[in-house]
Amino acid sequence: LAKTTQPISMDSYEGQEVNITCSHNNIATNDYITWYQQFPSQGPRFIIQGYKTKVTNEVASLFIPADRKSSTLSLPRVSLSDTAVYYCLVGDSLGRYSTLTFGKGTMLLVSP
Amino acid sequence: EAQVTQNPRYLITVTGKKLTVTCSQNMNHEYMSWYRQDPGLGLRQIYYSMNVEVTDKGDVPEGYKVSRKEKRNFPLILESPSPNQTSLYFCASQRAGLGSYEQYFGPGTRLTVT
Repeated sequence: LAKTTQPISMDSYEGQEVNITCSHNNIATNDYITWYQQFPSQGPRFIIQGYKTKVTNEVASLFIPADRKSSTLSLPRVSLSDTAVYYCLVGDSLGRYSTLTFGKGTMLLVSP
Repeated sequence: EAQVTQNPRYLITVTGKKLTVTCSQNMNHEYMSWYRQDPGLGLRQIYYSMNVEVTDKGDVPEGYKVSRKEKRNFPLILESPSPNQTSLYFCASQRAGLGSYEQYFGPGTRLTVT
């Protein structure tokens, strides 16, 4: 079971780019890297996932170096509504299914 | 609309009084799971199910039961609730397939056991 390490908290201001780095030294060959966002008292929401290099969607970008021992979630031009907890997860495989283990996440606080 | 629903959303009960939290999804997902979330501890998995009649323990299964008689429903049962089960509970579902990590979460059930 690959564990992840990410900062407990980060602060930013509106309009800035935020990069949250996650370390996963024991990632297995078949594992994907996934990021979720959670607002207070709501269920987590899938943001992005990737295997290597760079993945981009309408919300964020995910950068994964060649050794895959870390990854960086990039949020462009954050707003106050991006204040949330962000979880970095490395997927485990159980037969046909992939499961996730959530850690404590990174609390991102965006200020005006 | 694709969604996971949970009921009730809020529940206050007393120690030892059996309760059930329901979870239902309309996406025909095979995989379903229950989590609890406590301050400072993040999300911890209680039980999961890979398909009808197939369930398995997660990281914190003690004091909980589940059943999966239908694909869309995955109720969480507390036979004899205790105060340490006071928590925020989330149900989630996911489609099958390696490399698929997109789980859909319900709105949460806030349980207080006195």
